[in-house]
Amino acid sequence: KAGVTQTPRYLIKTRGQQVTLSCSPISGHRSVSWYQQTPGQGLQFLFEYFSETQRNKGNFPGRFSGRQFSNSRSEMNVSTLELGDSALYLCASSTWVETDTQYFGPGTRLTVL
Amino acid sequence: TQLLEQSPQFLSIQEGENLTVYCNSSSVFSSLQWYRQEPGEGPVLLVTVVTGGEVKKLKRLTFQFGDARKDSSLHITAAQPGDTGLYLCAGARYGQNFVFGPGTRLSVLP
Repeated sequence: KAGVTQTPRYLIKTRGQQVTLSCSPISGHRSVSWYQQTPGQGLQFLFEYFSETQRNKGNFPGRFSGRQFSNSRSEMNVSTLELGDSALYLCASSTWVETDTQYFGPGTRLTVL
Repeated sequence: TQLLEQSPQFLSIQEGENLTVYCNSSSVFSSLQWYRQEPGEGPVLLVTVVTGGEVKKLKRLTFQFGDARKDSSLHITAAQPGDTGLYLCAGARYGQNFVFGPGTRLSVLP
């Protein structure tokens, strides 16, 4: 089975721009979660989508949004970028049965100048 | 407040030494995962533990899930430079998001 894929791997944007990141989960996985990872804050949960519905949401401003498509692929969008949004953005997928596990993609490194 | 605490935060040891990393919480989890992450890459799953008291071995790595399913430990025997990385524990709670510890950064010196 192919693993979780994320595109693009690297991205450079300037303040005020917006960005869209894409994630393709492992085949058969219906849950996709997004995380932001920075050296100072560690891994912070953004949101989780399950069967096209946002099921859980972390404590991030409304500039961060996401969606999931019927094929379970997911996108996240960050509008009005700020310098502090520079981070590694990770996507993880799971099937979400009772004793489940998340599998991570390689991440998208976003740099905001 | 972190739902999952990890200790130590940093560890630098010589090749061949043994070490133990701890992951603690006041919450009960349905399962707990350990990951290793290299700089700039996504975390790679090492193991999932499900049953209280469960012990799993992966070559030189031994994982234990606490009896009450609130804590876990990772023991590495005869550490090698290839074990260097950030070790993350994550707890799963059905219907809720996974929670992650802050990580233990391990450096194994040759």
